Amino acid sequence: RKEVEQDPGPFNVPEGATVAFNCTYSNSASQSFFWYRQDCRKEPKLLMSVYSSGNEDGRFTAQLNRASQYISLLIRDSKLSDSATYLCVVNRGTGFQKLVFGTGTRLLVSP
Amino acid sequence: DAEITQSPRHKITETGRQVTLACHQTWNHNNMFWYRQDLGHGLRLIHYSYGVQDTNKGEVSDGYSVSRSNTEDLPLTLESAASSQTSVYFCASSPRTERSYNEQFFGPGTRLTVL
Repeated sequence: RKEVEQDPGPFNVPEGATVAFNCTYSNSASQSFFWYRQDCRKEPKLLMSVYSSGNEDGRFTAQLNRASQYISLLIRDSKLSDSATYLCVVNRGTGFQKLVFGTGTRLLVSP
Repeated sequence: DAEITQSPRHKITETGRQVTLACHQTWNHNNMFWYRQDLGHGLRLIHYSYGVQDTNKGEVSDGYSVSRSNTEDLPLTLESAASSQTSVYFCASSPRTERSYNEQFFGPGTRLTVL
């Protein structure tokens, strides 16, 4: 079983739609959780951290369920510019900077 | 502006050759990382460094080596390139703070093909 699992998609949605991605992780000792965004053939960039109480950044909402070892990302009012691959990322434990990356979920937003 | 750069951006080499990929950051970050990205695997950690003269193996370190002689650079060497090492390579850096995690900033990547 992979440490971080995501549905690869693609998710095809029209502009203005709401879309949600899910991610599960296997290491119960994981302490930190993130969503990174990667555009085609470009480097990954941090989209947002995921906090235990859930957090929101504009149109983006992230949720964490430690009991189920499950992370989600909700995008509201999708824009064409949201088309990208979204990587679920988990830190391996306290005191370490090592990250485990999911294979990503591809989002395509159409006019 | 501070940045992280990688060179070359594209490289084609032959099996058995030694190849070195450069990574240079101007943020003065202590932590630096090398990843490879392949279809179906996501990014996998090759080597990492928490400071000058410090290097550590990641999960896919066989056939690769790094050295850290200064804060700015972490070159990645493929001792004897193999076709299985055809991949996109990303370098990343992050600052050292008391937090267990800090955002990693990635370079633009190097696309390596081993024939």
